[in-house]
Amino acid sequence: AQSVSQHNHHVILSEAASLELGCNYSYGGTVNLFWYVQYPGQHLQLLLKYFSGDPLVKGIKGFEAEFIKSKFSFNLRKPSVQWSDTAEYFCAVTGSSNTGKLIFGQGTTLQVKP
Amino acid sequence: GAGVSQTPSNKVTEKGKYVELRCDPISGHTALYWYRQSLGQGPEFLIYFQGTGAADDSGLPNDRFFAVRPEGSVSTLKIQRTERGDSAVYLCASSAGTAPGNTIYFGEGSWLTVV
Repeated sequence: AQSVSQHNHHVILSEAASLELGCNYSYGGTVNLFWYVQYPGQHLQLLLKYFSGDPLVKGIKGFEAEFIKSKFSFNLRKPSVQWSDTAEYFCAVTGSSNTGKLIFGQGTTLQVKP
Repeated sequence: GAGVSQTPSNKVTEKGKYVELRCDPISGHTALYWYRQSLGQGPEFLIYFQGTGAADDSGLPNDRFFAVRPEGSVSTLKIQRTERGDSAVYLCASSAGTAPGNTIYFGEGSWLTVV
């Protein structure tokens, strides 16, 4: 079955700490991968996406993610978090043949302490 | 408008009633999506449209749920005989197309509570 697993449900960090959020997917065939962010009281926004080329993708606000095909993983990283990064983060996958159907993970709540 | 607009933002209805949720996509976007998000969960795919037609409705949970997009712009999600388990945030999204390079933009959602 197609699925996305996010290992960390709730992460608490201090400002300037490094961040890595895990994401593993189960999907047959070629995939497109995404990280979305939802700030408190706001709608889902795209942070970054991978669909081909360099497996290390850079997104907005200093975030990056690496697609490791052999591990079916697409972990999100940021070297130094800020209080404003407090939000919920969702990993998602689509198949190359069905790009309209995003499969989301459960989400990770990130709380950054000032 | 600048973004995806959804109405109503909040809806409380009684069990067994009929509900309509409306989505106005970004102007010019041909693809439109509906998702449902329950508390503590990620969004769950329901259906997406390419133009006026439903390209994939495999996520609709049962025949009480139906969605239309008659003119290829505004879409309405219709829920008949609502049940308490239907309580969730219903998210609409749109994109310029379904190719991977197209970003999917989400609205703020319609919070549905069935009492």
